[in-house]
Amino acid sequence: GIQVEQSPPDLILQEGANSTLRCNFSDSVNNLQWFHQNPWGQLINLFYIPSGTKQNGRLSATTVATERYSLLYISSSQTTDSGVYFCAVRYSGGYQKVTFGIGTKLQVIP
Amino acid sequence: EADIYQTPRYLVIGTGKKITLECSQTMGHDKMYWYQQDPGMELHLIHYSYGVNSTEKGDLSSESTVSRIRTEHFPLTLESARPSHTSQYLCASSEGGSNQPQHFGDGTRLSIL
Repeated sequence: GIQVEQSPPDLILQEGANSTLRCNFSDSVNNLQWFHQNPWGQLINLFYIPSGTKQNGRLSATTVATERYSLLYISSSQTTDSGVYFCAVRYSGGYQKVTFGIGTKLQVIP
Repeated sequence: EADIYQTPRYLVIGTGKKITLECSQTMGHDKMYWYQQDPGMELHLIHYSYGVNSTEKGDLSSESTVSRIRTEHFPLTLESARPSHTSQYLCASSEGGSNQPQHFGDGTRLSIL
């Protein structure tokens, strides 16, 4: 099946710092989403980005489908950004399954 | 923002009980999904549905069962809960088409004593 790798697995940032999270996937995808899971377990949809670049406030994401990776940028990080960031992809081969990466655990300290 | 609701939010219950986790969405989405997530781990698909009367098992084997009698409702049932069922269960839905985003509920944290 499709492999989804996220890096780094853990990240500690000082408040105000910027960071880049990476998601690599092993096959062609037609659906890629970035999620933030807060400390209460809720999954928040950040971006639906099978290709191209999108921005939403301090967050932006870029997916280069031909090179099979996606990047999530967090600028001017805040303590509320803490949690786990998941990348999830859907394989273009027809099967509807969405595969999640293991996530990047982010801790933003004051 | 998506309207998908899960109840209960938290459940602590004894071994052997029958449990039903509720999931409802008001968006008219055809596709619905159940994921299981252990603490600190990734999500694993355990059930999905393409529409009414359609249910399929996901990648991770689960002793739970699901039903889809109405478009908006996708409950998950454990006939006899065991401690190994302790986990978080997340429900999601999406529109038809393979390139539509999934929208998640807030999840149910289940603890079996």
